[in-house]
Amino acid sequence: TQLLEQSPQFLSIQEGENLTVYCNSSSVFSSLQWYRQEPGEGPVLLVTVVTGGEVKKLKRLTFQFGDARKDSSLHITAAQPGDTGLYLCAGINAGGTSYGKLTFGQGTILTVHP
Amino acid sequence: GAGVSQTPSNKVTEKGKYVELRCDPISGHTALYWYRQSLGQGPEFLIYFQGTGAADDSGLPNDRFFAVRPEGSVSTLKIQRTERGDSAVYLCASSIRSYNEQFFGPGTRLTVL
Repeated sequence: TQLLEQSPQFLSIQEGENLTVYCNSSSVFSSLQWYRQEPGEGPVLLVTVVTGGEVKKLKRLTFQFGDARKDSSLHITAAQPGDTGLYLCAGINAGGTSYGKLTFGQGTILTVHP
Repeated sequence: GAGVSQTPSNKVTEKGKYVELRCDPISGHTALYWYRQSLGQGPEFLIYFQGTGAADDSGLPNDRFFAVRPEGSVSTLKIQRTERGDSAVYLCASSIRSYNEQFFGPGTRLTVL
């Protein structure tokens, strides 16, 4: 069974601070996704990283896929209260009987205080 | 256009009862996934439909859980003899085909008393 370990589980910071969330696995994934989930809603896709070493930027968010495609990180610069939410990483395996099903980490609850 | 919808949004039932949870995917999406999210955890895969057939039901925890998608659109997740441990948010996601971006519904929060 493939597992994704996310850390930290909880993060409480002040507006303007930077933060990094980590997602680690002992297994290789074909691609990795990051989602954000608000209370009472389903996860919303932020980014997909496919190539080992890949870096993608989405405004103040920077996503990186490890060279070995086993780990990923999400870095937020100058966090704002609107960034508050649950951040989830999810791995995908291509081919075979995977069918694109997602293996999620346990999530990081981020709270940004004004 | 309309996103994925799930009904009911909340369901409270008693231990031992039968429940049905409904998912309306985005029109034209052939792939449909069910996930379960327990409190403080990430979603866990339950079952995947390609069209009308369940191509992968390896995530269903036991034979009390069953899901159907008879016309390749709406899907129903059925849970028999509910147990307190079944309490969770049940999420449905659809994609135009497998391996494409999945769009999630808001979930059904199931509480078994």
